[in-house]
Amino acid sequence: NAGVMQNPRHLVRRRGQEARLRCSPMKGHSHVYWYRQLPEEGLKFMVYLQKENIIDESGMPKERFSAEFPKEGPSILRIQQVVRGDSAAYFCASSLSALEQFFGPGTRLTVL
Amino acid sequence: QKEVEQNSGPLSVPEGAIASLNCTYSDRGSQSFFWYRQYSGKSPELIMSIYSNGDKEDGRFTAQLNKASQYVSLLIRDSQPSDSATYLCAVPYGQNFVFGPGTRLSVLP
Repeated sequence: NAGVMQNPRHLVRRRGQEARLRCSPMKGHSHVYWYRQLPEEGLKFMVYLQKENIIDESGMPKERFSAEFPKEGPSILRIQQVVRGDSAAYFCASSLSALEQFFGPGTRLTVL
Repeated sequence: QKEVEQNSGPLSVPEGAIASLNCTYSDRGSQSFFWYRQYSGKSPELIMSIYSNGDKEDGRFTAQLNKASQYVSLLIRDSQPSDSATYLCAVPYGQNFVFGPGTRLSVLP
């Protein structure tokens, strides 16, 4: 059984470009969470989604960031007009029951 | 404000010793607690979950929960150099999880 998959693993963007990060949850998991981790800092919750619904986006910046989890396909975290401060590791986690979360390998975003 | 606090460390223990990692949380109503291990440059890995007061053992790991004191700990017996990592405590608050800042553990050969 494959674990949580994220792609790309590394993403380089120039300031002002868009970044799209993808997350495929574990088979059977309908709960998806996105986190951001700055170097040498802790994990910060961004958004919690179930299929076709955003459940909690209280950790998401109000501008430039959006997330979706369509009926078919992976969850997408989209960052528009990236800035250097967006450089971080972005982790996706999935859960069967909204309790134990299992993390993907992460996407390391570098903004030049 | 929902908070999860941990000593940032580093916590250094000799190989074979017991490592004790502590976590306190602010919401008295919290019902479930999780410990994750994160190696440098890697993603967090779930190692223990605990839902009721007392101890829960899994191999060399023991999680201890005291809801009255709002305190959860992780003990690692017979520590190995491969246990050197950052350990994150996580507590669900409403619809999301709050992670502590993590404790960096270093097991010295």
